[in-house]
Amino acid sequence: AQTVTQSQPEMSVQEAETVTLSCTYDTSESDYYLFWYKQPPSRQMILVIRQEAYKQQNATENRFSVNFQKAAKSFSLKISDSQLGDAAMYFCAYRSDNNAGNMLTFGGGTRLMVKP
Amino acid sequence: NAGVMQNPRHLVRRRGQEARLRCSPMKGHSHVYWYRQLPEEGLKFMVYLQKENIIDESGMPKERFSAEFPKEGPSILRIQQVVRGDSAAYFCASSGTGGTEAFFGQGTRLTVV
Repeated sequence: AQTVTQSQPEMSVQEAETVTLSCTYDTSESDYYLFWYKQPPSRQMILVIRQEAYKQQNATENRFSVNFQKAAKSFSLKISDSQLGDAAMYFCAYRSDNNAGNMLTFGGGTRLMVKP
Repeated sequence: NAGVMQNPRHLVRRRGQEARLRCSPMKGHSHVYWYRQLPEEGLKFMVYLQKENIIDESGMPKERFSAEFPKEGPSILRIQQVVRGDSAAYFCASSGTGGTEAFFGQGTRLTVV
C-alpha cells in the first residue's frame, strides 16, 4: 500500500517570502500522479498543482512550483511571494495510475501560517 | 456547471441515531469517492462507487457504514447507530470516466453528541 508523509505539522512564512513544504511517499509503482491540495478554513479542497510521475519537468502554476525527485520519492511544494490568502492546510496526495479510479492517498497535512 | 454538491453542510446526531450524507457529483461525472477527515488529520479514503456499483470499499469500516450511488439521484453515505468517534468531516469527490482529476465537495461536518 502507498503511504504519504508530511513531516512538517506547521510552517510559518513572512508575507512576500518563499516557503517550501515537504512531502515524501512510498510506492512500488512506476506510474502515478502526485498532487498538492489547499484546504482553507472553509474546508473546501482546492487543487493547487499536480505532477505526472512520467514527466521529468517539475510542474509550475504561477507562484506554486514543485520539486519532484522520483528516485528519492520526494515531492515538495514551493510557494513564492507568499500572500495572506495562502494561509491554509496543505495536503500532499498520491494517486496510482494502475487502477480504474481517482482514489487518493493523503498525507497528514501541513498548516501554513503567513505573517503580515 | 455546478460543482460537487454535498448536503447537509453540518449534521448533528445523538449517539445511536442514523446519519445520511448526500453527494451530487458534477454534471457528467459517474464516479464518486467518499473520504473521512478526522480533526487535525488528512483525508482517508472510504469507498469508490460508480452508478449502481461499489468498486472499492477497502476504507469503509466493516460495521454500521454503507454507501450507495443509485441510477438516479445522489450518492448516499449512511452511518447507522452513530458513536462519538464518527464525528468528522466527510468529503465527496467525483470524476469523469478516464479523467485524472477528482473534484471535491465542501464536505459535511458530522457531530455526534
